[in-house]
Amino acid sequence: DAGITQSPRHKVTETGTPVTLRCHQTENHRYMYWYRQDPGHGLRLIHYSYGVKDTDKGEVSDGYSVSRSKTEDFLLTLESATSSQTSVYFCAISPPGQGFNEQFFGPGTRLTVL
Amino acid sequence: KNQVEQSPQSLIILEGKNCTLQCNYTVSPFSNLRWYKQDTGRGPVSLTIMTFSENTKSNGRYTATLDADTKQSSLHITASQLSDSASYICVVSGMYSGGGADGLTFGKGTHLIIQP
Repeated sequence: DAGITQSPRHKVTETGTPVTLRCHQTENHRYMYWYRQDPGHGLRLIHYSYGVKDTDKGEVSDGYSVSRSKTEDFLLTLESATSSQTSVYFCAISPPGQGFNEQFFGPGTRLTVL
Repeated sequence: KNQVEQSPQSLIILEGKNCTLQCNYTVSPFSNLRWYKQDTGRGPVSLTIMTFSENTKSNGRYTATLDADTKQSSLHITASQLSDSASYICVVSGMYSGGGADGLTFGKGTHLIIQP
C-alpha cells in the first residue's frame, strides 16, 4: 500500500461522539487526501491537503474537519459522529510534480456509527 | 456536471474466459483516464493510466482502450484468474488549475467475480 498506513482499521462508535482517523505516510509526498466509499456512490473526496497546514474542502466535507501539522500525518475528525458517516474511509497520497492525477491509496478504515 | 458511468455493475465469468468492462464519461476538458483494481477490504490499486493522445495501454493480462472522441474506455481482461475477482474503478481526470481537488471523477465500479 505504497507506504501508507491508516489507524484504526476498524472502529465502532456511538452517535454524537468525536472520532479521529489517522493517515500516516512514509513517502514524503506533498498531497494527501481523505475519501469515503459507500455502496452505490463510489469514492467521494472529503478533504485534501497540499502541504503542512494547507488544506481544502472536497465534495462531501460537511461534518468533517482535517489537520496536517506534519508532512507524514493527515488527520480526519468527525466532531460529532452521525449514522450517515458510517462508511469506509480511504486516505490517498500523491507524489510530487503530478498534482492530482497519480494517487496511491491506503488500506482503509471501516467506521460504524451506531 | 462531470460524470463517469461504468457497466456492467457486476459480472460473473468462468476462470480462463475473457471479459470487457466499459466506462463512459462526460468530463471535459479531459486530461487522463485511469483504471483501478480494488480487492475486497483493500484500497484501490492503479492498473493503467492513459492521456487523451493514447488509445491503448496494457499491463499484463489487462488492456485498456480509450476513445477520446466518443468519451469511452474499456478494460479487457484476458484469460481470467481467480485473483481477478475484484471491483474495477474508472477514474477520469479533468483539467484543473492550481492543483485543485475537483479534478477527479470516480465511477461506481464494476464488481467482477471469477468462478472456478
